[in-house]
Amino acid sequence: KAGVTQTPRYLIKTRGQQVTLSCSPISGHRSVSWYQQTPGQGLQFLFEYFSETQRNKGNFPGRFSGRQFSNSRSEMNVSTLELGDSALYLCASSLTGYSYNEQFFGPGTRLTVL
Amino acid sequence: GQQLNQSPQSMFIQEGEDVSMNCTSSSIFNTWLWYKQDPGEGPVLLIALYKAGELTSNGRLTAQFGITRKDSFLNISASIPSDVGIYFCAGQSDSGGSNYKLTFGKGTLLTVNP
Repeated sequence: KAGVTQTPRYLIKTRGQQVTLSCSPISGHRSVSWYQQTPGQGLQFLFEYFSETQRNKGNFPGRFSGRQFSNSRSEMNVSTLELGDSALYLCASSLTGYSYNEQFFGPGTRLTVL
Repeated sequence: GQQLNQSPQSMFIQEGEDVSMNCTSSSIFNTWLWYKQDPGEGPVLLIALYKAGELTSNGRLTAQFGITRKDSFLNISASIPSDVGIYFCAGQSDSGGSNYKLTFGKGTLLTVNP
């Protein structure tokens, strides 16, 4: 079966713009989590959505937001982009939203902010 | 916030050698996880540890959840070229509604010379 897909895979934006990233979970999965990966800070949890509800969020400013649709697809939005937002954004989906063994990551979207 | 210190940052070894890496934290974790990330892909879960003192194996990989709940190590025995990649530890201390709110180490880059 198809894995987690993220679109686009690469994106270049300029400071001040906004961006929307998309994540399509594995079929049947109801949980989608988002992470930011940078060389300096490593992997950091952004937020998790389960059945269209945000269950928790990490320590990121309000410029970072997300949502989940009824088909479990999720989007994250970053407004007023800053240079430091350049990163690999990973999403992961899981069936029940509890087990680590059932959480699978997508390949990520590489965002470059100029 | 919580931080995980992962060491070493990088390792260059010969095929067939054993490898050891570890993570330490200033705070207690309820769950320790070890992931591997290949270039252009998202992390893949290798081992999950759920209680202090637990020792778990997955093929040539062995990981332990430290007794103090503030550390964990991962051993790889008889390394092979496909072990190349970045290995991350991650801890989970407070579900607060999401098990996937994880704190990650900065990673260990493993290079295996055939």
